[in-house]
Amino acid sequence: DAKTTQPTSMDCAEGRAANLPCNHSTISGNEYVYWYRQIHSQGPQYIIHGLKNNETNEMASLIITEDRKSSTLILPHATLRDTAVYYCIVRVAESGSARQLTFGSGTQLTVLP
Amino acid sequence: DAGVTQSPTHLIKTRGQQVTLRCSPKSGHDTVSWYQQALGQGPQFIFQYYEEEERQRGNFPDRFSGHQFPNYSSELNVNALLLGDSALYLCASSSGVSGGKTQYFGPGTRLLVL
Repeated sequence: DAKTTQPTSMDCAEGRAANLPCNHSTISGNEYVYWYRQIHSQGPQYIIHGLKNNETNEMASLIITEDRKSSTLILPHATLRDTAVYYCIVRVAESGSARQLTFGSGTQLTVLP
Repeated sequence: DAGVTQSPTHLIKTRGQQVTLRCSPKSGHDTVSWYQQALGQGPQFIFQYYEEEERQRGNFPDRFSGHQFPNYSSELNVNALLLGDSALYLCASSSGVSGGKTQYFGPGTRLLVL
């Protein structure tokens, strides 16, 4: 699976949009981009994933560049409860193949009051 | 709809002992993956079970073993515990062995080895 690069930490003001970048320049055509977050001492929480097109759900939006070499996770109105480590993971999606998630160091997002 | 559950939540053991951790997958899921997360690091993949068989394994020694039951629940066993085995152990469930299926995590079991 392709390697990802994320900033170590970011701050965001409460109520503003949080934009978390991820670089995955070696991504292959059959790899999805997944985002998880982990609030201190809890299990990782699935946020969103996508292949080519931009995706939106009740938690966030995922913007993937046309060349698929980078993506941005957007939390539209950050709250203090969004303070967490955010992981960007690329993962093959081949039927019949058991694929684990390979976590990097992630981005520590701190939402400031 | 119950999510992924794990037991116990916390555990303290001494070096050389053996430990068993348990996981019940999310309703409708049949695949269970186990991860180890040391303090300050991202989770590391241990192994994955599907149809009661180990399907894939990460870079962990044979001291780490597992089992999946017919009801899809799973156990992680660690023998001859070392201080370095102290970590948060996470279970994730998904549907089918397909790589494209989203994994959902439980709250984890915090293991401390003294």
